[in-house]
Amino acid sequence: QKEVEQDPGPLSVPEGAIVSLNCTYSNSAFQYFMWYRQYSRKGPELLMYTYSSGNKEDGRFTAQVDKSSKYISLFIRDSQPSDSATYLCAMKGNTPLVFGKGTRLSVIA
Amino acid sequence: GAVVSQHPSRVICKSGTSVKIECRSLDFQATTMFWYRQFPKQSLMLMATSNEGSKATYEQGVEKDKFLINHASLTLSTLTVTSAHPEDSSFYICSATRNDRAGYEQYFGPGTRLTVT
Repeated sequence: QKEVEQDPGPLSVPEGAIVSLNCTYSNSAFQYFMWYRQYSRKGPELLMYTYSSGNKEDGRFTAQVDKSSKYISLFIRDSQPSDSATYLCAMKGNTPLVFGKGTRLSVIA
Repeated sequence: GAVVSQHPSRVICKSGTSVKIECRSLDFQATTMFWYRQFPKQSLMLMATSNEGSKATYEQGVEKDKFLINHASLTLSTLTVTSAHPEDSSFYICSATRNDRAGYEQYFGPGTRLTVT
């Protein structure tokens, strides 16, 4: 089993939809959980980070961490075509970041 | 925000030559810099971690003599791909953590696309 599992998609939704992106992980030592957005041929951009379990909201984005289930989510409300990108989850404990494969999202106008 | 730049953004070189990629933190001092490579539709694979003034720590399977990393200052790290081969063609991305922030906040550069012919 890989340390971090993420469905690569692609995921296609209509503009205005609520998007749910998820990752599961196996390493219980992970404490820091991040979501990055990567546009084609660009470096990843940090969107959200969460320490331990709980929710965090920033504008249209909400990150959730459930450490008991080893499951993290990113919700995007009122999705826009500009949200079309690859979303990578990443996590760490006392080790370097471990990334998921990324989910490719397309928001159709 | 924290800005990380990379130069060049794209490079094409002939097999057997060496290529140097620069990574700079523009508006902060970087405690640690990381080098990743990314193949199409794949995730980022960590190659090495470097701290200013110290030797880089390479991940398993990454050849130290092939991928030379120099972290000369708190704002600059370089990756040199020596004797490049076509299989080294990839997207190389650096990232940095800030001295004044917790180490989990990594800021990525825009990446360098290397093509070896």
